[in-house]
Amino acid sequence: NAGVTQTPKFQVLKTGQSMTLQCAQDMNHNSMYWYRQDPGMGLRLIYYSASEGTTDKGEVPNGYNVSRLNKREFSLRLESAAPSQTSVYFCASSVDRAYEQYFGPGTRLTVT
Amino acid sequence: QKEVEQNSGPLSVPEGAIASLNCTYSDRGSQSFFWYRQYSGKSPELIMSIYSNGDKEDGRFTAQLNKASQYVSLLIRDSQPSDSATYLCASKERSYIPTFGRGTSLIVHP
Repeated sequence: NAGVTQTPKFQVLKTGQSMTLQCAQDMNHNSMYWYRQDPGMGLRLIYYSASEGTTDKGEVPNGYNVSRLNKREFSLRLESAAPSQTSVYFCASSVDRAYEQYFGPGTRLTVT
Repeated sequence: QKEVEQNSGPLSVPEGAIASLNCTYSDRGSQSFFWYRQYSGKSPELIMSIYSNGDKEDGRFTAQLNKASQYVSLLIRDSQPSDSATYLCASKERSYIPTFGRGTSLIVHP
Protein backbone atom coordinates (compact mmCIF):
# COMPACT_ATOMS: atom_id res chain seq x y z
CA ASN A 1 0.00 0.00 0.00
CA ALA A 2 1.31 3.43 -0.95
CA GLY A 3 -1.02 5.15 1.51
CA VAL A 4 -1.60 8.78 0.54
CA THR A 5 0.33 10.08 -2.45
CA GLN A 6 0.65 13.67 -3.65
CA THR A 7 1.96 15.23 -6.85
CA PRO A 8 3.97 17.27 -7.47
CA LYS A 9 6.46 17.34 -4.57
CA PHE A 10 7.71 20.82 -5.44
CA GLN A 11 6.31 23.60 -7.61
CA VAL A 12 7.22 27.20 -8.37
CA LEU A 13 4.52 29.42 -9.88
CA LYS A 14 4.38 33.01 -10.97
CA THR A 15 1.62 35.23 -9.61
CA GLY A 16 -1.57 34.67 -11.59
CA GLN A 17 -0.72 31.19 -12.85
CA SER A 18 -2.98 28.27 -12.09
CA MET A 19 -2.24 24.73 -11.05
CA THR A 20 -3.83 21.61 -9.61
CA LEU A 21 -2.39 19.58 -6.76
CA GLN A 22 -3.25 15.92 -6.99
CA CYS A 23 -3.92 13.54 -4.11
CA ALA A 24 -4.78 9.86 -4.12
CA GLN A 25 -5.22 7.24 -1.40
CA ASP A 26 -5.35 3.47 -1.69
CA MET A 27 -6.74 2.72 1.79
CA ASN A 28 -10.40 2.76 0.77
CA HIS A 29 -10.97 5.76 3.02
CA ASN A 30 -14.18 7.74 2.82
CA SER A 31 -12.94 11.14 3.99
CA MET A 32 -10.20 13.30 2.50
CA TYR A 33 -8.72 16.67 3.46
CA TRP A 34 -6.47 19.45 2.20
CA TYR A 35 -4.32 21.47 4.60
CA ARG A 36 -1.73 24.16 4.31
CA GLN A 37 1.08 24.55 6.82
CA ASP A 38 2.90 27.83 7.32
CA PRO A 39 5.63 28.61 9.88
CA GLY A 40 4.08 29.60 13.18
CA MET A 41 0.53 28.96 11.93
CA GLY A 42 0.22 25.22 12.25
CA LEU A 43 -1.98 23.10 9.99
CA ARG A 44 -4.99 24.90 8.62
CA LEU A 45 -7.83 23.10 6.88
CA ILE A 46 -8.60 24.40 3.39
CA TYR A 47 -11.33 21.99 2.21
CA TYR A 48 -12.50 18.55 3.10
CA SER A 49 -14.65 15.81 1.64
CA ALA A 50 -16.50 13.75 4.24
CA SER A 51 -17.48 11.19 1.61
CA GLU A 52 -17.43 10.72 -2.14
CA GLY A 53 -19.62 13.32 -3.79
CA THR A 54 -19.41 15.92 -1.01
CA THR A 55 -17.00 18.78 -0.36
CA ASP A 56 -17.02 21.49 2.31
CA LYS A 57 -15.02 24.57 3.14
CA GLY A 58 -12.55 24.55 5.97
CA GLU A 59 -10.89 27.43 7.78
CA VAL A 60 -9.06 29.03 4.82
CA PRO A 61 -10.89 28.22 1.53
CA ASN A 62 -10.47 31.53 -0.28
CA GLY A 63 -8.45 31.25 -3.49
CA TYR A 64 -8.88 27.47 -3.74
CA ASN A 65 -11.26 24.98 -5.29
CA VAL A 66 -11.47 21.23 -4.88
CA SER A 67 -12.80 18.22 -6.72
CA ARG A 68 -13.50 14.80 -5.25
CA LEU A 69 -12.98 12.94 -8.50
CA ASN A 70 -13.84 9.54 -7.04
CA LYS A 71 -13.35 7.73 -3.76
CA ARG A 72 -9.57 7.60 -4.23
CA GLU A 73 -8.76 11.07 -5.56
CA PHE A 74 -9.16 14.59 -4.20
CA SER A 75 -7.58 17.50 -6.07
CA LEU A 76 -6.90 21.08 -5.02
CA ARG A 77 -6.85 23.85 -7.60
CA LEU A 78 -5.37 27.32 -7.41
CA GLU A 79 -7.02 29.37 -10.16
CA SER A 80 -4.83 32.48 -9.86
CA ALA A 81 -1.88 31.94 -7.58
CA ALA A 82 -0.81 34.68 -5.16
CA PRO A 83 2.39 35.00 -3.08
CA SER A 84 0.23 34.49 0.04
CA GLN A 85 -0.39 30.94 -1.16
CA THR A 86 3.28 30.05 -0.78
CA SER A 87 3.09 27.16 1.67
CA VAL A 88 3.41 23.45 2.19
CA TYR A 89 0.23 21.63 1.22
CA PHE A 90 -0.74 18.32 2.78
CA CYS A 91 -3.48 15.95 1.73
CA ALA A 92 -4.87 13.54 4.31
CA SER A 93 -7.48 10.80 4.46
CA SER A 94 -9.41 8.98 7.15
CA VAL A 95 -11.54 5.86 7.09
CA ASP A 96 -14.45 7.96 8.27
CA ARG A 97 -14.73 11.57 9.30
CA ALA A 98 -14.67 10.70 13.03
CA TYR A 99 -11.34 8.94 12.95
CA GLU A 100 -7.64 9.62 12.65
CA GLN A 101 -6.11 11.06 9.49
CA TYR A 102 -3.17 9.80 7.50
CA PHE A 103 -1.08 12.35 5.66
CA GLY A 104 0.62 12.43 2.31
CA PRO A 105 4.22 13.62 1.89
CA GLY A 106 3.26 17.18 0.98
CA THR A 107 3.75 19.63 -1.86
CA ARG A 108 6.05 22.61 -1.38
CA LEU A 109 4.63 25.49 -3.40
CA THR A 110 6.35 28.81 -3.97
CA VAL A 111 4.53 31.67 -5.70
CA THR A 112 6.75 34.50 -6.90
CA GLN B 1 -13.59 29.82 17.50
CA LYS B 2 -12.47 26.33 18.36
CA GLU B 3 -8.88 26.22 19.56
CA VAL B 4 -6.32 23.63 20.49
CA GLU B 5 -3.49 25.10 22.53
CA GLN B 6 0.00 23.73 22.93
CA ASN B 7 3.15 25.20 24.41
CA SER B 8 5.48 25.76 21.45
CA GLY B 9 8.55 24.78 23.47
CA PRO B 10 11.15 23.67 22.88
CA LEU B 11 10.84 21.04 25.57
CA SER B 12 14.30 19.65 26.24
CA VAL B 13 14.74 16.33 28.07
CA PRO B 14 17.73 14.02 28.54
CA GLU B 15 17.85 10.65 26.85
CA GLY B 16 16.04 8.02 28.88
CA ALA B 17 13.77 10.51 30.66
CA ILE B 18 9.98 10.88 30.41
CA ALA B 19 8.80 13.64 28.09
CA SER B 20 5.40 15.12 28.93
CA LEU B 21 3.54 17.02 26.24
CA ASN B 22 0.32 18.84 27.01
CA CYS B 23 -2.63 20.16 25.07
CA THR B 24 -5.85 21.98 25.99
CA TYR B 25 -8.92 22.42 23.82
CA SER B 26 -11.74 24.92 23.93
CA ASP B 27 -14.67 22.98 22.45
CA ARG B 28 -16.47 20.85 25.03
CA GLY B 29 -18.13 19.03 22.13
CA SER B 30 -14.84 17.55 21.00
CA GLN B 31 -15.16 13.80 20.60
CA SER B 32 -11.84 12.53 19.31
CA PHE B 33 -8.24 13.41 20.05
CA PHE B 34 -5.03 12.63 18.23
CA TRP B 35 -1.30 12.99 18.63
CA TYR B 36 0.96 13.31 15.60
CA ARG B 37 4.72 13.49 15.28
CA GLN B 38 6.27 15.67 12.60
CA TYR B 39 9.95 15.61 11.76
CA SER B 40 11.38 18.73 10.14
CA GLY B 41 10.51 18.80 6.45
CA LYS B 42 8.24 15.77 6.69
CA SER B 43 4.50 15.18 6.98
CA PRO B 44 2.64 14.50 10.25
CA GLU B 45 2.64 10.87 11.33
CA LEU B 46 -0.08 9.50 13.61
CA ILE B 47 1.14 8.31 17.01
CA MET B 48 -2.09 7.70 18.86
CA SER B 49 -5.83 8.31 18.96
CA ILE B 50 -7.86 8.56 22.16
CA TYR B 51 -11.63 8.82 22.40
CA SER B 52 -12.56 8.27 26.06
CA ASN B 53 -11.38 9.55 29.42
CA GLY B 54 -8.38 7.87 30.96
CA ASP B 55 -5.07 6.53 29.74
CA LYS B 56 -4.20 4.68 26.58
CA GLU B 57 -0.80 3.04 26.23
CA ASP B 58 1.06 1.97 23.10
CA GLY B 59 4.66 0.95 23.60
CA ARG B 60 6.61 3.87 25.03
CA PHE B 61 3.70 6.25 24.45
CA THR B 62 0.78 6.97 26.79
CA ALA B 63 -2.02 9.35 25.91
CA GLN B 64 -4.17 10.76 28.71
CA LEU B 65 -7.55 12.40 28.24
CA ASN B 66 -9.53 14.39 30.78
CA LYS B 67 -12.70 15.76 29.17
CA ALA B 68 -13.84 17.56 32.34
CA SER B 69 -10.63 19.62 32.32
CA GLN B 70 -10.47 19.72 28.49
CA TYR B 71 -6.94 18.42 28.63
CA VAL B 72 -4.98 15.87 26.61
CA SER B 73 -1.42 14.80 27.25
CA LEU B 74 1.19 12.54 25.71
CA LEU B 75 3.90 10.86 27.77
CA ILE B 76 6.95 9.43 26.07
CA ARG B 77 8.89 7.03 28.28
CA ASP B 78 12.59 6.27 27.81
CA SER B 79 12.93 9.20 25.40
CA GLN B 80 15.40 8.73 22.56
CA PRO B 81 17.16 11.30 20.36
CA SER B 82 15.06 9.92 17.48
CA ASP B 83 11.96 11.22 19.32
CA SER B 84 13.17 14.78 18.69
CA ALA B 85 10.42 16.29 16.54
CA THR B 86 7.38 18.53 16.72
CA TYR B 87 4.32 16.93 18.29
CA LEU B 88 0.90 18.05 17.10
CA CYS B 89 -2.28 17.66 19.11
CA ALA B 90 -5.59 17.57 17.22
CA SER B 91 -9.26 17.24 18.07
CA LYS B 92 -12.49 16.58 16.21
CA GLU B 93 -15.80 17.87 17.51
CA ARG B 94 -19.33 16.70 16.79
CA SER B 95 -19.27 17.89 13.18
CA TYR B 96 -15.94 16.05 12.83
CA ILE B 97 -14.06 19.05 11.52
CA PRO B 98 -10.45 18.62 12.68
CA THR B 99 -8.57 21.33 14.59
CA PHE B 100 -4.82 21.18 15.09
CA GLY B 101 -2.61 22.84 17.67
CA ARG B 102 0.55 24.60 16.50
CA GLY B 103 2.75 21.89 17.97
CA THR B 104 5.37 21.46 20.68
CA SER B 105 9.00 21.05 19.70
CA LEU B 106 10.72 18.25 21.65
CA ILE B 107 14.48 17.92 21.88
CA VAL B 108 15.97 14.78 23.41
CA HIS B 109 19.65 15.28 24.13
CA PRO B 110 22.13 12.42 24.67
